[in-house]
Amino acid sequence: DAKTTQPPSMDCAEGRAANLPCNHSTISGNEYVYWYRQIHSQGPQYIIHGLKNNETNEMASLIITEDRKSSTLILPHATLRDTAVYYCIVRVEGYSTLTFGKGTMLLVSP
Amino acid sequence: NAGVMQNPRHLVRRRGQEARLRCSPMKGHSHVYWYRQLPEEGLKFMVYLQKENIIDESGMPKERFSAEFPKEGPSILRIQQVVRGDSAAYFCASSPAQGSGYTFGSGTRLTVV
Repeated sequence: DAKTTQPPSMDCAEGRAANLPCNHSTISGNEYVYWYRQIHSQGPQYIIHGLKNNETNEMASLIITEDRKSSTLILPHATLRDTAVYYCIVRVEGYSTLTFGKGTMLLVSP
Repeated sequence: NAGVMQNPRHLVRRRGQEARLRCSPMKGHSHVYWYRQLPEEGLKFMVYLQKENIIDESGMPKERFSAEFPKEGPSILRIQQVVRGDSAAYFCASSPAQGSGYTFGSGTRLTVV
């Protein structure tokens, strides 16, 4: 079973920031937080991952709380093409498998 | 650098036939993973292979399903005697090392009629 909890759906206006929350209250000290997204009919796409420090790349920012029990993925300027299901996953780095939950369906509207 | 290539993109099989799904990993990747996504459900891990070895098949159904990743050529997911419940999207991912740098393919959508 997935070890994360995400809202089933969220809406965001185009050009605004999308903030997607994730709860992972049972995360272990050696588990990383990963984010993937799946645009309709495509394979999952890696977005970002982190252990305890905040991370930023060209796609998004990841904010992890100090107690590591929750995190937020931030898409700073959402576009229509960001409409997708976003999955938050916790796992030990180097572990072979990814355990996907139901994710959050983000709908970006004009 | 081509990504993970899966073919065919769409596959239709009649009940009782065999389905063969192919996955060519990214260049330099020797680790391959197969996932299945049933309609309206999340992705579920099936099997993890390295060249010529099955490392973890804990997610594979016990019957009719098999996977291989030969020394030469693509990884193959084989489903014998397909049933309607096998209809799903099958995704392959590859990585250069165990569990790192996962890249997924676009999937094969299997429809059993």
